[in-house]
Amino acid sequence: AQSVTQLGSHVSVSEGALVLLRCNYSSSVPPYLFWYVQYPNQGLQLLLKYTSAATLVKGINGFEAEFKKSETSFHLTKPSAHMSDAAEYFCAVSDRGGNTGKLIFGQGTTLQVKP
Amino acid sequence: DAGITQSPRHKVTETGTPVTLRCHQTENHRYMYWYRQDPGHGLRLIHYSYGVKDTDKGEVSDGYSVSRSKTEDFLLTLESATSSQTSVYFCAISEPQNIQYFGAGTRLSVL
Repeated sequence: AQSVTQLGSHVSVSEGALVLLRCNYSSSVPPYLFWYVQYPNQGLQLLLKYTSAATLVKGINGFEAEFKKSETSFHLTKPSAHMSDAAEYFCAVSDRGGNTGKLIFGQGTTLQVKP
Repeated sequence: DAGITQSPRHKVTETGTPVTLRCHQTENHRYMYWYRQDPGHGLRLIHYSYGVKDTDKGEVSDGYSVSRSKTEDFLLTLESATSSQTSVYFCAISEPQNIQYFGAGTRLSVL
């Protein structure tokens, strides 16, 4: 069965500092991997996706993530945090070969950005 | 914008009453999903649909039923609402490579 673990339910960084949000997955088959962002009182917005051979994936708002098969990780990074990055972030995994399109989500990480 | 509309956006109801949430999409997607979001649990799949009248259970389906009589509409029904079903409910559609897009959510309070 697939699963996702996000390390740290809350992460706090200073404005301008590096953002690192950790995600580890478990999957018996090659996965699709996603990061979503949720701003207060809004739905989830796709940040980036790993669906092909390129292991370093760039997303919106300056975020990127690297797929590391040997570490079963898909950590999200941004070189310099902005106040507007404060939100909740979700990592998700899906079965590449499946026919249901289902996603399994991590429990989420709330990012706080301090001035 | 994937053309997903959820209604109502907010609802307060009493324990034991039936509640139906609606998800409407405008782009003819085959797959649709209902999730609930609770603190510390991320999003958990309730039910999903892979076509008109084709639905299946997710991981937290107890107490919920769904119907899909038209491609564009996916209804989630709580037959007899309980306080444990107080949550935020999200509808989603799926595109190729399992990329999902979400509606704005429905905040349900069961008193």
